[in-house]
Amino acid sequence: NAGVTQTPKFRILKIGQSMTLQCAQDMNHNYMYWYRQDPGMGLKLIYYSVGAGITDKGEVPNGYNVSRSTTEDFPLRLELAAPSQTSVYFCASSYGEMRGNTIYFGEGSWLTVV
Amino acid sequence: KNEVEQSPQNLTAQEGEFITINCSYSVGISALHWLQQHPGGGIVSLFMLSSGKKKHGRLIATINIQEKHSSLHITASHPRDSAVYICAATSNDYKLSFGAGTTVTVRA
Repeated sequence: NAGVTQTPKFRILKIGQSMTLQCAQDMNHNYMYWYRQDPGMGLKLIYYSVGAGITDKGEVPNGYNVSRSTTEDFPLRLELAAPSQTSVYFCASSYGEMRGNTIYFGEGSWLTVV
Repeated sequence: KNEVEQSPQNLTAQEGEFITINCSYSVGISALHWLQQHPGGGIVSLFMLSSGKKKHGRLIATINIQEKHSSLHITASHPRDSAVYICAATSNDYKLSFGAGTTVTVRA
């Protein structure tokens, strides 16, 4: 099993550009998450999904959109990139809810907006 | 104030030393996760616990729900243990509150 796969690993965007971070998992997990990690700060939840067709906002959703058309895939869309979106992004998944299940993370995507 | 506080922020140890990282949280939780992040790398789950103690190899995690405190211990530390260790607490089914992480450096 590949686990959680994120692409791209690194990307530089210009202000105002848009892009999609791809995330796929092959563990048949119901729950999927997108986090961002800023220096010296804990990870912050952007969006999450509890199953195909269901998504919901996390703590810091502004400037992002997600979709979950299949169990496997959970892409994160950045519209009109801003310097404040420079960060490291992690996709994660779990079979069920956090209080009873291990969480699996992707390798991270380093995004710089200039 | 962050819901989850870790200490110390940074820690340097000599190979073979016993290491302790502390995690305190201010909200009622149902489970706590310990994660490991290597430089430039992804994040790996080490433990998930809701009570008592868990052990895996040289790593031991404990939690005291009443005192809202958890510790991660590394016995006989090795340079390959150098990483950022993150605790994260959950009180519901989807949200994790993360600590800022403890950077551990183990010198040979």
